[in-house]
Amino acid sequence: EIVLTQSPGTLSLSPGERATLSCWASQSVSSNFLAWYQHKPGQAPRLLIYGASSRATGIPDRFSGSGSGTDFTLTISRLEPEDFAVYYCQQYGGSPRITFGQGTRLDIK
Amino acid sequence: QVVESGGGVVQPGRSLRLSCGGSGFTFSFYGMHWVRQAPGKGLEWVAFVSYDGSSKYYADSVNGRFTITRDNSLNTLFLHMSSLRAEDTAVYFCAKAVRECTKTDCYARNYLDSWGQGTLVTVSS
Repeated sequence: EIVLTQSPGTLSLSPGERATLSCWASQSVSSNFLAWYQHKPGQAPRLLIYGASSRATGIPDRFSGSGSGTDFTLTISRLEPEDFAVYYCQQYGGSPRITFGQGTRLDIK
Repeated sequence: QVVESGGGVVQPGRSLRLSCGGSGFTFSFYGMHWVRQAPGKGLEWVAFVSYDGSSKYYADSVNGRFTITRDNSLNTLFLHMSSLRAEDTAVYFCAKAVRECTKTDCYARNYLDSWGQGTLVTVSS
């Protein structure tokens, strides 16, 4: 099983700032099959990025994903008030046994 | 969209069945997952069923106790939970997997592009 570790656990920033969230995999993620989700309390999780760097439909271009192998990054270029949430990475390489990282909470400073 | 139902309060050792209705897409084309979130915790994958119900996978924590099924004629996904434990207390989400198609082939990809808002299961005496 591929274990995903996200860093930092909590990130406190102000609107307008840049956010950089990291996700490390315990072994290489095949074909860079890595996704990112945004989750707000009481809501459905929202797909942001798939294939490590492809934005999902309707996702603003301030969200970008990068990385390969075992190291992946989600960047939010200029934070909007609605971006404060919990973010999860998820790997989906090779098997339907998907795994999630433990999440990064993005708080308003 | 997908909408879950069937959650509630149940005693340890008892059973419960969750349902998830799909609409706005051809339900029978897509693999489906259950994912849960315990109070104060992150997302945990629970189970998967292929588009036609022929292939199923489970997390070790629920294997042998939970059963995932689907009825494509009803556009509905189910999760049958038995021998419930306190640690199964969580919000349960159903989520739709993706098909990526080229000019000649389509491939199932297990990232999740449509999620419900979840249904809360509380296991307590």
